[in-house]
Amino acid sequence: AQSVTQLDSHVSVSEGTPVLLRCNYSSSYSPSLFWYVQHPNKGLQLLLKYTSAATLVKGINGFEAEFKKSETSFHLTKPSAHMSDAAEYFCVVSNAGNMLTFGGGTRLMVKP
Amino acid sequence: GAVVSQHPSWVICKSGTSVKIECRSLDFQATTMFWYRQFPKQSLMLMATSNEGSKATYEQGVEKDKFLINHASLTLSTLTVTSAHPEDSSFYICSAPDRDRTPYNEQFFGPGTRLTVL
Repeated sequence: AQSVTQLDSHVSVSEGTPVLLRCNYSSSYSPSLFWYVQHPNKGLQLLLKYTSAATLVKGINGFEAEFKKSETSFHLTKPSAHMSDAAEYFCVVSNAGNMLTFGGGTRLMVKP
Repeated sequence: GAVVSQHPSWVICKSGTSVKIECRSLDFQATTMFWYRQFPKQSLMLMATSNEGSKATYEQGVEKDKFLINHASLTLSTLTVTSAHPEDSSFYICSAPDRDRTPYNEQFFGPGTRLTVL
């Protein structure tokens, strides 16, 4: 069994300040982990993925995430928020059978 | 990356009618596709796994007679919402892995179909 917990349903930051979106997972297998972003009324876009290579993963638009097995965490960060980053973010875990489990989502709001 | 399309992107129908949603992998073959449902301001919930040439596998609590899935070819899966009711109004999203390009379980998502049942 696998599960994903996104610790914050809403995060609000000011433009230009750092972003931290927290994600903890549990999995019986060595998981693959993903972060997706969803803008209003749009499909999901992959930000980055961890697949048992480097634990620090760099993604698109300046986002990165660090896989910490001891903490079962995969937090998403960005040094400086932009207004266009305002969206819903999903942390996702996948097992060997391609079954995806989604976290509850975190809505990121960016204030000018 | 690989491209997945959905059609239609938005549909409004009357209660009691049936609606078909298509999911296509445009530049790769997908033996497996996944259907999700997303209610407003909620996360995605897996409804079923669509398998080319065989029956779909439904998640617990999903009525297989109401949500008919057909995976007739390696590039097309369809979801038919039969006798739709207002509570079926939702955002339906499909995804598929391209095993040739990404053996490590990355899924490619369609843009979604918003269903509104009046």
